[in-house]
Amino acid sequence: NAGVTQTPKFQVLKTGQSMTLQCAQDMNHNSMYWYRQDPGMGLRLIYYSASEGTTDKGEVPNGYNVSRLNKREFSLRLESAAPSQTSVYFCASGRAPNYGYTFGSGTRLTVV
Amino acid sequence: AQSVTQLGSHVSVSEGALVLLRCNYSSSVPPYLFWYVQYPNQGLQLLLKYTTGATLVKGINGFEAEFKKSETSFHLTKPSAHMSDAAEYFCAVSDPAGKSTFGDGTTLTVKP
Repeated sequence: NAGVTQTPKFQVLKTGQSMTLQCAQDMNHNSMYWYRQDPGMGLRLIYYSASEGTTDKGEVPNGYNVSRLNKREFSLRLESAAPSQTSVYFCASGRAPNYGYTFGSGTRLTVV
Repeated sequence: AQSVTQLGSHVSVSEGALVLLRCNYSSSVPPYLFWYVQYPNQGLQLLLKYTTGATLVKGINGFEAEFKKSETSFHLTKPSAHMSDAAEYFCAVSDPAGKSTFGDGTTLTVKP
């Protein structure tokens, strides 16, 4: 099983450019999440989707949008990238609240 | 609101020594608690979880954690450290909806 697949793995953007980070899971999980990881700050929740067709803001949603395309796919879009969005982005999926997450391998994004 | 505090951003032990990584949580409801491990340039991997029942939970790679409600703690231990245990470890608390809040992480170094 592939688990959670994120693309791309690396990306460099110029300030003001846009891009979409892709995430797909093959475990039939209902819930999917986007986190960003910055040094010394753990992981912070950007957006999540409890089920197909629903999305909600997390702790740090400003500057991002998401789309739950279907049960498998949950994409994260940066409309106008800023240097403060330089980070490692992780997608995760969950079967149920008490099961924990399965994480993708991450996208390392640099905005210059 | 829920939160997690990991005491000590860096822990160093000798190979064969006891590993103790500390985690305290705050939650307004009975918590779901997790420990994840992250190896360099990889996503997070679930080590173990506490949901209900036995307060001492065992995970992969010989790790275990004890849930102490009175102390609001969920410390991670391993009796004998191995070089391959060197990684970053994250404690997390999840709400009933499945949204997880992560601690800032503890980097474990194992000296030969």
